[in-house]
Amino acid sequence: QQPVQSPQAVILREGEDAVINCSSSKALYSVHWYRQKHGEAPVFLMILLKGGEQKGHEKISASFNEKKQQSSLYLTASQLSYSGTYFCGTESKTSYDKVIFGPGTSLSVIP
Amino acid sequence: DTEVTQTPKHLVMGMTNKKSLKCEQHMGHRAMYWYKQKAKKPPELMFVYSYEKLSINESVPSRFSPECPNSSLLNLHLHALQPEDSALYLCASSRLPGGLRTDTQYFGPGTRLTVL
Repeated sequence: QQPVQSPQAVILREGEDAVINCSSSKALYSVHWYRQKHGEAPVFLMILLKGGEQKGHEKISASFNEKKQQSSLYLTASQLSYSGTYFCGTESKTSYDKVIFGPGTSLSVIP
Repeated sequence: DTEVTQTPKHLVMGMTNKKSLKCEQHMGHRAMYWYKQKAKKPPELMFVYSYEKLSINESVPSRFSPECPNSSLLNLHLHALQPEDSALYLCASSRLPGGLRTDTQYFGPGTRLTVL
């Protein structure tokens, strides 16, 4: 079942922060985050594997609450290059080798 | 080299044509994937190959026929497609089957397919 993402779209000014949420009704083994720019392939940002895990990548970090089956992606001090569509992908505990992508969050960073 | 290549970049075909999409990786990855992506939608998994064997088929119509001739190459054969099959077709690979639990999947740039 497809995870739910919120918000659907967000517009930021450079330097502002944003949070993108992802939740699933299934028990999750992992959450993957990707960014896709228009006309390009999705680019991997990070995987979160364990409940409560947090990871960071430059000014982008994420957390995973396994009990709540939720993950959040945090973008701080946004840059123009952060614009794109962010997808979370979830792998459930019963579904091996299968990442189901959420509907995406469109993020636009303006000067 | 962390590259997955796909050819062609663009493909236009009629409903009676037969064509193939090609995907190649030289990272030694043993899991390969086909996804379909429509505009403003997320990628949808179509097929997964693990150690060159088809392990997942997401109930894809038989007009799409995947093939994995060796560990570096993945093909998607197309026949009698419909206009609604027009989409971006993405190939991806990961190090090992089950590897999505600890590792990423690398996406190719995709083939943009138009069915007339």
